[in-house]
Amino acid sequence: QSALTQPASVSGSPGQSITISCTGTSSDVGGYNYVSWYQRHPGKAPKVMISEVSNRPSGVSNRFSGSKSGNTASLTISGLQAEDEAEYYCSSYTSTSTVVFGGGTKLTVL
Amino acid sequence: QLQLQESGPGLVKPSETLSLTCTVSGGSISSSSCLWGWIRQPPGKGLEWIGNIYYAGTTYYNPSLKSRVTISVDTSKNQFSLKLGSVTAADTAIYYCARLSLGYYVTDYWGQGTLVTVSS
Repeated sequence: QSALTQPASVSGSPGQSITISCTGTSSDVGGYNYVSWYQRHPGKAPKVMISEVSNRPSGVSNRFSGSKSGNTASLTISGLQAEDEAEYYCSSYTSTSTVVFGGGTKLTVL
Repeated sequence: QLQLQESGPGLVKPSETLSLTCTVSGGSISSSSCLWGWIRQPPGKGLEWIGNIYYAGTTYYNPSLKSRVTISVDTSKNQFSLKLGSVTAADTAIYYCARLSLGYYVTDYWGQGTLVTVSS
């Protein structure tokens, strides 16, 4: 299985909005609403920010939102804050009952 | 609060078998609503899913690692384990144990991660 495709890096200024894309195939992202997004700060374990394409777990800021169109899912962070600077990973359930991650996107808050 | 903790050697020699154990506390590993699994992150690279196991023993593996991986569960100890055979330097990574919640297919609980280095 091939990794989902994410941009290597994105950046934005405090207060701005950014969007990270995650492109897969009809066998993963496009075929199921089981896309999740994770935030990972250096030296820390990943933390789930979005599940099932657009659901925010309890405790996650409403500045984080998710969506999907066809084989591409997206994570949008509005009102960027310094603490949002981290790596972000998408993942999806697949047609072979496995899980696939994206390559990760480094978010820099300028 | 559910907690997961990895344990095992931090250094493994090339061609040998990497063995890690994850101890689950604050909840039962014999839950029908989740899978337990392993994810790794090589230095400077992204996350890679290794595989999952259901408490009853059903396993799901990354096709690229399947020939070398075994995940097992010990419900009496509330633990599950990873064995990765014939390791090379490319298997050097932070290894995370984690819980995948069925129904949502989201990895909602993670261990802190343990660095395993493959070197002679």
